[in-house]
Amino acid sequence: SQQGEEDPQALSIQEGENATMNCSYKTSINNLQWYRQNSGRGLVHLILIRSNEREKHSGRLRVTLDTSKKSSSLLITASRAADTASYFCATDAGNNNDMRFGAGTRLTVKP
Amino acid sequence: DAMVIQNPRYQVTQFGKPVTLSCSQTLNHNVMYWYQQKSSQAPKLLFHYYDKDFNNEADTPDNFQSRRPNTSFCFLDIRSPGLGDAAMYLCATRGTLDVYTFGSGTRLTVV
Repeated sequence: SQQGEEDPQALSIQEGENATMNCSYKTSINNLQWYRQNSGRGLVHLILIRSNEREKHSGRLRVTLDTSKKSSSLLITASRAADTASYFCATDAGNNNDMRFGAGTRLTVKP
Repeated sequence: DAMVIQNPRYQVTQFGKPVTLSCSQTLNHNVMYWYQQKSSQAPKLLFHYYDKDFNNEADTPDNFQSRRPNTSFCFLDIRSPGLGDAAMYLCATRGTLDVYTFGSGTRLTVV
């Protein structure tokens, strides 16, 4: 019942570097969302991009959406050790359908 | 602050002994979800409520049931927990802007 796939599965970078995570999905969507999860905790909403949008920014986050390729990317600029977490993309088909998550990318930012 | 609250944070139950996980929300959202998340995996949707309309995922085991007595509360009942049901259980609500708000989760251990 999972919708998306993310790559890489794990990413390790140095503080200050940029981190890029990719998400691909299979069906038509109303919107795509990115969530962050610290170990053993719930998910925190980061950013939502609708199907008619191509790019969105929020602070150090930049999300792109290519509906023709059914893919999205999340860029975190100037990463910090506190950005260490798992990042999930989730697709929402709309019409009160449920949201499906990708497998996630485990990001480690080394100080 | 308006939020989604899950109790307890940690639950230990015996193999085969019924257990109930609870979720409450102060957001007055119509839609509530239960997800199961096993270690290093994506959250997997079990079921959701749109108001009192219950929607079960096709691959959710019969062992899992849910109740929503009112807008604020939703319960996950596991009738006969097996070792394979050990996981983090996440409750979420969906707002008018399609953003999901998650609780902190309940980590279930089956002994």
